Amino acid sequence: QLQMQESGPGLVKPLETLSLVCSVSGGSVASRSHYWGWIRQFPGKGLEWIGNIFYTGITKYNAPLKSRVAISVDTSKNQISLKLTSVTAADTAVYFCARRRSDGGGAFDLWGQGTMVTVSS
Amino acid sequence: DIQMTQSPSTLSASVGDRVVISCRASHNIDTWLAWYQQKPGKAPKLLIYKASLLEAEVPSRFSGSGSGTDFTLTINNVQPDDFGTYFCQLYNSDVFIFGQGTSLEVK
Repeated sequence: QLQMQESGPGLVKPLETLSLVCSVSGGSVASRSHYWGWIRQFPGKGLEWIGNIFYTGITKYNAPLKSRVAISVDTSKNQISLKLTSVTAADTAVYFCARRRSDGGGAFDLWGQGTMVTVSS
Repeated sequence: DIQMTQSPSTLSASVGDRVVISCRASHNIDTWLAWYQQKPGKAPKLLIYKASLLEAEVPSRFSGSGSGTDFTLTINNVQPDDFGTYFCQLYNSDVFIFGQGTSLEVK
């Protein structure tokens, strides 16, 4: 069964770049039937979609974050990556990678366990 | 910009009750709506997609309905494992927006 696992630093300094990797096992990111996304959950429990990527590298980003975010895919490593630049305390959140079926009506059917990132000096 | 409003924010129920959670989109989204359950410290779990389709292995006591702007998640015969937080999520023109969440608590 496909599994997803996020990894990266748990603490990032203000104005630096947050970098996370999502490692996929039990399946391939090079799937024509799926998109791969990043979603974050703030300490107050609200959820925010960050962006999606298809295995060909086509991306879609949430407009408020578009100038600071980059999502990439490495099919050889079976990984999805997230970079968020110029972070502030408002970027403190649990970051999830998630899979979306192309025929799933926009729903995310599989999620990683999430990784907590704190922005602080 | 499209917005999503979820209600209520908190719901108290007893085992065996029927509960209903609502979401309203500010624009017509057809049936592009999903429902998730989240337990503390865990990732959200998909329950319903395309407004009314039950995800595999999700118990049939969960059901979704609605189209356009108004949607509901109904849980019949609430079980102990059902207590947690529920989120709706819309999909519209490559934008994904989550509702604010409903905490289902033990009465």
